[in-house]
Amino acid sequence: TQLLEQSPQFLSIQEGENLTVYCNSSSVFSSLQWYRQEPGEGPVLLVTVVTGGEVKKLKRLTFQFGDARKDSSLHITAAQPGDTGLYLCAGGRGSTLGRLYFGRGTQLTVWP
Amino acid sequence: DSGVTQTPKHLITATGQRVTLRCSPRSGDLSVYWYQQSLDQGLQFLIQYYNGEERAKGNILERFSAQQFPDLHSELNLSSLELGDSALYFCASSVSGTSEYYNEQFFGPGTRLTVL
Repeated sequence: TQLLEQSPQFLSIQEGENLTVYCNSSSVFSSLQWYRQEPGEGPVLLVTVVTGGEVKKLKRLTFQFGDARKDSSLHITAAQPGDTGLYLCAGGRGSTLGRLYFGRGTQLTVWP
Repeated sequence: DSGVTQTPKHLITATGQRVTLRCSPRSGDLSVYWYQQSLDQGLQFLIQYYNGEERAKGNILERFSAQQFPDLHSELNLSSLELGDSALYFCASSVSGTSEYYNEQFFGPGTRLTVL
C-alpha cells in the first residue's frame, strides 16, 4: 500500500496546455518534495515545501502543500516538450528517521 | 550532476550470482539511501545508513545487504540473484539523517542490473 497516491498515473497533452498533478495521503508529512525523472536517470529534486498552505513557484511550475500537510499539487503552465518526464512526490515524516515515502509517479508526455 | 556517483552503470549477470553495487555520496552528506526501481513497483526504499550505522529498513530482501564505510561510501550486495531482481538501483544521499529538518535527497545516476 502506497502512503502517497499520485494522480493521474499518465498524462499526455499538447504543447501549450496547462496541467495539474496531485499527490494525496491520509497521513501528515513534515515535508513534501517533488522530483522529476527522465528515462534511465536518477530523480532530480525540483522543490521542497514544508509549511501547510505553502506555495512555491519555479518558472512555469507551481507547487502547493495542503493546509493539513497531507497533500500537494504540481501545476504546469504552458507545458513544453522539455517538461516530459516522470514526476514523483515524496514525503518525509518526523517519526521515521529521514526516509522519504515516494508516490508511484505521474508520467507526463508533452507533444510538440 | 547531483554529486552522487554510482558504479557500475550497467551490470549483466546470471541467476544465482552475487553482485556489489557501489555508491559515493555528495561531499559532506552523512546519509545514504538505496532504492530499487522496476516498472511494476515504482521506486522502492530498501535501506538507509547514517554515518556508518543502519538507520531505517524498507522492503529489503534477506538476500540483499548493505553497509556504509568510514569514508561514507556505501555498497549494496545482492546475492542468489533471481530474474525478478532485474531493475534500476539508485543511491541517494542527504546531509541530515532525520526528518527533523526537511530531508532533501540527491540521487545518483543508478545501476541497471539485468539478471539472465
